[in-house]
Amino acid sequence: QKEVEQNSGPLSVPEGAIASLNCTYSDRGSQSFFWYRQYSGKSPELIMSIYSNGDKEDGRFTAQLNKASQYVSLLIRDSQPSDSATYLCAVNTGFQKLVFGTGTRLLVSP
Amino acid sequence: AAGVIQSPRHLIKEKRETATLKCYPISRHDTVYWYQQGPGQDPQFLISFYEKMQSDKGSIPDRFSAQQFSDYHSELNMSSLELGDSALYFCASSLGTGFEAFFGQGTRLTVV
Repeated sequence: QKEVEQNSGPLSVPEGAIASLNCTYSDRGSQSFFWYRQYSGKSPELIMSIYSNGDKEDGRFTAQLNKASQYVSLLIRDSQPSDSATYLCAVNTGFQKLVFGTGTRLLVSP
Repeated sequence: AAGVIQSPRHLIKEKRETATLKCYPISRHDTVYWYQQGPGQDPQFLISFYEKMQSDKGSIPDRFSAQQFSDYHSELNMSSLELGDSALYFCASSLGTGFEAFFGQGTRLTVV
């Protein structure tokens, strides 16, 4: 079992819709959770961080964390074609180890 | 503010050669991570440093070594290069443990 798991997708949504991306992790002691966006051939770009249970909103993005279920999600409201990218869930599983999921490819069609 | 700087951006080496990748973290960041990303793959954790000491190790081959210097920059040394080492190598830095990590632009290594 991978430490961090995501559906690889692609997840296809029409422009203006809500995109919902999910991630589960195996290390119950994990404390820090991040969502990165990566365009092909580019470096991962941090878009959200979340450290405590509940929701965290930043513009069109909402991260949700449920430590009891070991589940992290990212909602993207009013999806735009420019949001089409791979979204990587990352979990800090220990002292200084940031582990990535395989990423979910999001396609937003005009 | 300047972000994480990696050099070189592109590198072409022959099999069995040696390569050195450099990473300059964001000012005051004390933690550096190195990742390898093959085509269509997620970033694979190689190694991390905190306050100039190695803090965690992932799937880093024995042919690779790394260190963090007194000015917090880090270097990844890769010897006896193999074709399978061709990948994007990313460095990320953060301020402290478990906090937001920011990535450099990466070094694309091609082994021929």
